[in-house]
Amino acid sequence: DVQLTQSPSFLSASVGDGVTFTCRASQDISRYLAWYQQKPGKAPKLLIYGASTLQSGVPARFSGSGSGTEFTLTISSLQPEDFATYYCQQLNSYPRAGFTFGPGTTVDIK
Amino acid sequence: QVQLQESGPGLVKPSETLSLTCTVSGGSIKNYYWSWIRQPPGKGLEWIGYCYYTGYTYYDPSLKSRVTISMDTSKNQFSLKLSSVTAADTAVYFCGGGNGYIDYWGRGTQVTVSS
Repeated sequence: DVQLTQSPSFLSASVGDGVTFTCRASQDISRYLAWYQQKPGKAPKLLIYGASTLQSGVPARFSGSGSGTEFTLTISSLQPEDFATYYCQQLNSYPRAGFTFGPGTTVDIK
Repeated sequence: QVQLQESGPGLVKPSETLSLTCTVSGGSIKNYYWSWIRQPPGKGLEWIGYCYYTGYTYYDPSLKSRVTISMDTSKNQFSLKLSSVTAADTAVYFCGGGNGYIDYWGRGTQVTVSS
């Protein structure tokens, strides 16, 4: 099974800062990776799929990159509504295999 | 716009079976793969399994022996059954759907396992 790790686990930043965090897969998953944002008490929201394609309606300050085993999510200028937890998800070999979520990166206000 | 709503008991006794239903509105249940995901208190997301209208299912290996996901296309609903529950199964349970990536999510329903 593909395992995902995310770093850092926790990140403290200010409004206007640019931030980048990483998701690593235990094996090559090509570009079958998505990023989700989750705020407390809410369902996750799909931000990026296919490693770098922005979901409709997601602000352009979000961007994703990577392929194979290493992926990044960048927020170019943090806004107050961006303080949340971010999860990566892999779906390599879907639908013949299952999904995996990473453990998450929480972005908090400094 | 596709909308999902979870329903089912919020309290289940240990060793019993957890049963939840997700009702899909605003689109056909035949269009997507449908998943159950859970989130234990203070922890991350755990994918449980998914189903397709053809009857195809795939479950997380760690839960496979206890999980059944089924679909009722006439009602635009899909369901989760998790048997022999313990306190470790206490979580918010989400239903979701999409073609791989989970575009659509329910609001989630809290299920507590306790006697």
